Amino acid sequence: AQTVTQSQPEMSVQEAETVTLSCTYDTSESDYYLFWYKQPPSRQMILVIRQEAYKQQNATENRFSVNFQKAAKSFSLKISDSQLGDAAMYFCAYGGTASKLTFGTGTRLQVTL
Amino acid sequence: NAGVTQTPKFQVLKTGQSMTLQCAQDMNHEYMSWYRQDPGMGLRLIHYSVGAGITDQGEVPNGYNVSRSTTEDFPLRLLSAAPSQTSVYFCASSYNGADTQYFGPGTRLTVL
Repeated sequence: AQTVTQSQPEMSVQEAETVTLSCTYDTSESDYYLFWYKQPPSRQMILVIRQEAYKQQNATENRFSVNFQKAAKSFSLKISDSQLGDAAMYFCAYGGTASKLTFGTGTRLQVTL
Repeated sequence: NAGVTQTPKFQVLKTGQSMTLQCAQDMNHEYMSWYRQDPGMGLRLIHYSVGAGITDQGEVPNGYNVSRSTTEDFPLRLLSAAPSQTSVYFCASSYNGADTQYFGPGTRLTVL
């Protein structure tokens, strides 16, 4: 079975600064997908970024980028130019076959002025 | 497109009662899933479906029942509610097994 570990229960960043959220996973599969989801207080799960394991290039979406290290099974999320609206829970998720997701326990991100 | 919709948003049950959480999507997605979210934990998969008429168990299926008679709908039934089923429930859908899953707004369920 796959496991996803987020070792940082809480992180804090100042507005306009950069923060990196960590995620590691364990799998024996060679083809899979990795995701970062954001959950604001409204509890809606919002896709932040997606990475296909077969792609060596790190995914980027505006201020959000990932550092995907397949051999190390590491998938960290970097948020640049942090904004107050980035404050939320962030979940790392592993997707294998049949669109079944395995989630980490989440990192709560605070953004301060 | 309404996306993924869930009803109700909130529900309080007594131990032993049964109920159905509704989930619908209008994106013609084949794959649909149910997750539960408990404090301090990530979302955990309850049941999933890869198409109408096909369902399978996820990580925490006990106490829940599903069926998928149409592509659009994927209801989750609690057969005899227990306090351990107090949680937030999310429904999600995707076009195929490799596609991104899109989530509904969730249902907060409390079992007394």
